[in-house]
Amino acid sequence: RKEVEQDPGPFNVPEGATVAFNCTYSNSASQSFFWYRQDCRKEPKLLMSVYSSGNEDGRFTAQLNRASQYISLLIRDSKLSDSATYLCVVTQGGKLIFGQGTELSVKP
Amino acid sequence: SAVISQKPSRDICQRGTSLTIQCQVDSQVTMMFWYRQQPGQSLTLIATANQGSEATYESGFVIDKFPISRPNLTFSTLTVSNMSPEDSSIYLCSVLSGGAIDTQYFGPGTRLTVL
Repeated sequence: RKEVEQDPGPFNVPEGATVAFNCTYSNSASQSFFWYRQDCRKEPKLLMSVYSSGNEDGRFTAQLNRASQYISLLIRDSKLSDSATYLCVVTQGGKLIFGQGTELSVKP
Repeated sequence: SAVISQKPSRDICQRGTSLTIQCQVDSQVTMMFWYRQQPGQSLTLIATANQGSEATYESGFVIDKFPISRPNLTFSTLTVSNMSPEDSSIYLCSVLSGGAIDTQYFGPGTRLTVL
């Protein structure tokens, strides 16, 4: 079993749609949780950290359920510029462990 | 935030040769990391490069194949030795800046193709 597993993609959605990504992790000792965004042929960039209380940044909402070892990312009112690969990331022993990523394509 | 540059940005190499990738940061950082991202895959940590000590390699990666240097707090190199087509990948360096795990920044990557 992979340490971090994400929804298979790609997700193809129209502009304005709401889209949700799910992620599960296998190691209950994982300490911190993040969503990174990676554009085609670019390096990953931190989108947001994920906290147990949930956190929101504009159109993006992230949730963490430690009991279920589950992380989610919700994107509301999706824009063309949201098209990218979204990487679920957890830390274990100070190292980042990446999921395989979910590709999102927002169409006009 | 840290600004990271990598050289070369891309290269095409022959089987059996070696390539050294450079990573330069605009500020002093304690921890630097080297990752590999194979086509269609996510990132895999190769090793952690700490200044003043030998790099720490992850399972499946060895120093003979991926020697790393870390001569100071702003610079590191990764060498991909005796390359084969399976080494074709993007190699990224990353730094931990500010002492918090959620300030990890990535360089633009080096796209390597081995023929």
